[in-house]
Amino acid sequence: GDSVTQMEGPVTLSEEAFLTINCTYTATGYPSLFWYVQYPGEGLQLLLKATKADDKGSNKGFEATYRKETTSFHLEKGSVQVSDSAVYFCALLSGGSYIPTFGRGTSLIVHP
Amino acid sequence: DTGVSQNPRHKITKRGQNVTFRCDPISEHNRLYWYRQTLGQGPEFLTYFQNEAQLEKSRLLSDRFSAERPKGSFSTLEIQRTEQGDSAMYLCASSLQSGADGYTFGSGTRLTVV
Repeated sequence: GDSVTQMEGPVTLSEEAFLTINCTYTATGYPSLFWYVQYPGEGLQLLLKATKADDKGSNKGFEATYRKETTSFHLEKGSVQVSDSAVYFCALLSGGSYIPTFGRGTSLIVHP
Repeated sequence: DTGVSQNPRHKITKRGQNVTFRCDPISEHNRLYWYRQTLGQGPEFLTYFQNEAQLEKSRLLSDRFSAERPKGSFSTLEIQRTEQGDSAMYLCASSLQSGADGYTFGSGTRLTVV
């Protein structure tokens, strides 16, 4: 079945550091891929998405590229801020399915 | 539209009691999902509706759980005879037909069973 694997957290960085959070997936067909962010006490918010191979999703300085050959969708940001501290979830939606599958989440902590 | 609304935000209940949560989706979204999230884990799918029809239920959804979406608008999730293992965040999400544009989540209802 479908699955999403994310790197273990927490990821701890200093402000303005470069961020990478790894995400790999297993799915049938050609899934759509998503990154969601969850701030403390809140629900998940869609951060970015990509619907086909080589697409790059971007939002708020975050980027992720859909790599079919490596089945990956790594999240990157060139310069993190304290306000980026949150839990980040990678998710996929297989073609023909209406139920997204989520990874376990990766906690990001950014220090001033 | 203020997004997906869930009530209550927090619920503390004694083991064995019944609880009911409500979700109001974005009005033009015809799909509605319930997920459960425990600490340190991603959301786990429970069930989803297209309009008023409940189309799929996870094996996680025991007989003590029931969900409804009368008239295809708001939805309720009821847990009967709660157990301590039911303690979790219950998330509701809604989407347009395809879901490819992503899902809008509510802030969740945190259930604590004591």
